[in-house]
Amino acid sequence: LAKTTQPISMDSYEGQEVNITCSHNNIATNDYITWYQQFPSQGPRFIIQGYKTKVTNEVASLFIPADRKSSTLSLPRVSLSDTAVYYCLVGDLRDDKIIFGKGTRLHILP
Amino acid sequence: DSGVTQTPKHLITATGQRVTLRCSPRSGDLSVYWYQQSLDQGLQFLIQYYNGEERAKGNILERFSAQQFPDLHSELNLSSLELGDSALYFCASSRTVQDYYGYTFGSGTRLTVV
Repeated sequence: LAKTTQPISMDSYEGQEVNITCSHNNIATNDYITWYQQFPSQGPRFIIQGYKTKVTNEVASLFIPADRKSSTLSLPRVSLSDTAVYYCLVGDLRDDKIIFGKGTRLHILP
Repeated sequence: DSGVTQTPKHLITATGQRVTLRCSPRSGDLSVYWYQQSLDQGLQFLIQYYNGEERAKGNILERFSAQQFPDLHSELNLSSLELGDSALYFCASSRTVQDYYGYTFGSGTRLTVV
């Protein structure tokens, strides 16, 4: 499993676009990049997954450069309810388990 | 509602006791995963079952055990409980081992050992 590095915490304001970058220098050819969101006392929730270039869904966008050594989760026009911990995970989908790191604690201010 | 059901939601018990946590996976999911999350720790992977068989083990203590039944629900048994076992225990499920849409987590069981 590739090691990931992401900021421990971030603050932003309501209505702003928030970008959380994750570094994964040792990403392997078969690895996918997956982001989860966790609210306090709740289980993590799958947000988005990608392999290369850009992926967009109704919640977020995921930008992956050509070398795939990093990725950026973009949350458009955040609200107070987006305050949560965001986990970046990198791994082969054939892996038997996924390992969560410390995540990024995002705090949205009014 | 994620479709993954965990019971009970809260559990308070004394040191030395044994408890059983239950998880019903989302309909159609064959894999079940157990995670532990303490206040000062991230999500720690404990164990995975796929279609009734143990598939992968993480940092699961010998005092802990799990199983997946023919109807695919899973139970996590914690025995000789210690204060440090107080944590949120999450169950997650996925269709197969190779699931391109990620895991679906339940809302967890909060275990308090006093």
